[in-house]
Amino acid sequence: GAVVSQHPSRVICKSGTSVKIECRSLDFQATTMFWYRQFPKQSLMLMATSNEGSKATYEQGVEKDKFLINHASLTLSTLTVTSAHPEDSSFYICSARIAGNQPQHFGDGTRLSIL
Amino acid sequence: QKEVEQNSGPLSVPEGAIASLNCTYSDRGSQSFFWYRQYSGKSPELIMSIYSNGDKEDGRFTAQLNKASQYVSLLIRDSQPSDSATYLCAPGGNEKLTFGTGTRLTIIP
Repeated sequence: GAVVSQHPSRVICKSGTSVKIECRSLDFQATTMFWYRQFPKQSLMLMATSNEGSKATYEQGVEKDKFLINHASLTLSTLTVTSAHPEDSSFYICSARIAGNQPQHFGDGTRLSIL
Repeated sequence: QKEVEQNSGPLSVPEGAIASLNCTYSDRGSQSFFWYRQYSGKSPELIMSIYSNGDKEDGRFTAQLNKASQYVSLLIRDSQPSDSATYLCAPGGNEKLTFGTGTRLTIIP
């Protein structure tokens, strides 16, 4: 149980392209979903917290106009990296949680490479 | 004080020995604790959840929680090379999980 599916697993695209990443909880309803970014050999960095039907809460330093998050249902959240540039190249990981005292379950991540 | 502190390692343990990973946290109100394993280049994977003081065992893994000392640990018995990874602890119960920086564990064959 508690499977989170994230697509695509890898994206390679040109600078200036917008990229959408999907995160789905397959066998549970997630009240909250999270988006993380991780650079090589560094710790997970939380980008934003998203509750279904509400605006996402972004961490300090994360540009909300650059990283658009939509959480339209209890099983789907999307992250769109708008006008991506090489510095946005990273490993993006989503997670989903049933309730506040429960663990987060992670997707497999999306490796984004901007040329 | 950081919210979650872990020894970043690297921690090297011989194959077959017990690996002991430790974590301290600052929020006395935390009621749940989670251990994640992250292989290089992969996303974190939940391996243990613990909600009450004492020990919780699952196969070769034992999580130990001491709320009075604000300390949680993970023991891995009969360590295998496949256990080589970064282990993250995170107290739950809040809006978001706060991860420690993780302990990098290497099992030496």
